Amino acid sequence: AQKVTQAQTEISVVEKEDVTLDCVYETRDTTYYLFWYKQPPSGELVFLIRRNSFDEQNEISGRYSWNFQKSTSSFNFTITASQVVDSAVYFCALSELIDYKLSFGAGTTVTVRA
Amino acid sequence: SAVISQKPSRDICQRGTSLTIQCQVDSQVTMMFWYRQQPGQSLTLIATANQGSEATYESGFVIDKFPISRPNLTFSTLTVSNMSPEDSSIYLCSVELGSDRVSPGELFFGEGSRLTVL
Repeated sequence: AQKVTQAQTEISVVEKEDVTLDCVYETRDTTYYLFWYKQPPSGELVFLIRRNSFDEQNEISGRYSWNFQKSTSSFNFTITASQVVDSAVYFCALSELIDYKLSFGAGTTVTVRA
Repeated sequence: SAVISQKPSRDICQRGTSLTIQCQVDSQVTMMFWYRQQPGQSLTLIATANQGSEATYESGFVIDKFPISRPNLTFSTLTVSNMSPEDSSIYLCSVELGSDRVSPGELFFGEGSRLTVL
């Protein structure tokens, strides 16, 4: 069984603040893949990142950064200097090698106020 | 990436009726999936749409309720049959690109079809 937990339901910040979204996962596989998706108010899901379980290097892409810690089964996502356009629901997801099907967390709604 | 078009984008349906959602991709893809997102909830995989054979359904979803067609590598349909208010959801088509058969590729989603059942 696999499980993704996003404990934060909603986060509200003022523009230019940093915001970190937590993601904790459970899996018995040693090989697995972690994803983050963004769902803006328009509804379309936007792929942000894919990370495999053997690559624990942190990654930075512009204002986005990801912290993967296998020891704590966490794959946290930070938005630096947030902007109003970052307002969306963010989903963390897990895929195990056996079937590659994605299990999504409940999502965290981020609201960035001007 | 892939351009995924879904129709209809939204609809209001009467209880007991059925509605077919279409998903068109601008390139041939092997893996196509249908997800459901109930109001305020996360995404749940309904089934994998297999080209040339019956869809593979996840636990809790059955073919009689959600028949799926996949006539070719760029098109699929999902029908929501005998709808009830509990079926009010966003239904999303997704495709996987970049899989090398060893690791999953990126999963791209259509904009979804928002169904409201009265």
